[in-house]
Amino acid sequence: EDQVTQSPEALRLQEGESSSLNCSYTVSGLRGLFWYRQDPGKGPEFLFTLYSAGEEKEKERLKATLTKKESFLHITAPKPEDSATYLCAVLNYGGSQGNLIFGKGTKLSVKP
Amino acid sequence: DTGVSQDPRHKITKRGQNVTFRCDPISEHNRLYWYRQTLGQGPEFLTYFQNEAQLEKSRLLSDRFSAERPKGSFSTLEIQRTEQGDSAMYLCASSPGQGTYGYTFGSGTRLTVV
Repeated sequence: EDQVTQSPEALRLQEGESSSLNCSYTVSGLRGLFWYRQDPGKGPEFLFTLYSAGEEKEKERLKATLTKKESFLHITAPKPEDSATYLCAVLNYGGSQGNLIFGKGTKLSVKP
Repeated sequence: DTGVSQDPRHKITKRGQNVTFRCDPISEHNRLYWYRQTLGQGPEFLTYFQNEAQLEKSRLLSDRFSAERPKGSFSTLEIQRTEQGDSAMYLCASSPGQGTYGYTFGSGTRLTVV
């Protein structure tokens, strides 16, 4: 069964303290891996799509990487406004083309 | 076009009542998706449309749930005879067709069944 597991569930950082979030996945055939940011009471906001192992994408303080079994979201010198829940999702070749399979997310808190 | 719009933002209903939510996707997006999210969980897929055709429904979508997308534009999600377990955030998303595009989500409709 296709599965996405994110760790840690929650992460508290001081402003400027870099860290990484992990997304481990098991799918029959990866079509794409997505990272989203979600603020309380709002819908997920798209960050990145990664397609194949070795691929990397960057946006401001965020950098996403992909291997055959997991993805990392690296946060460099975070600021309080980076506080949010970060969701990882996968789309596989074997399943529905509409069915993104999400993890439970990592709740990031950045203190000034 | 400013994104995916959902209405209402919040809905409180009594158990047993019917509710209907509306989603207006980004105008040039021909794919529309409904997801449900409960507290502390990631979104779960319910159903999706390509234009006006409903192409797949999750087994989470019981007979009490129905979705439509007339004319391939806006979509509605109706829940009949609501139960307390239906309380959740209902999210709509759209994308510009096949492929691994990043879906654009709306802000959701928060349903509370009392």
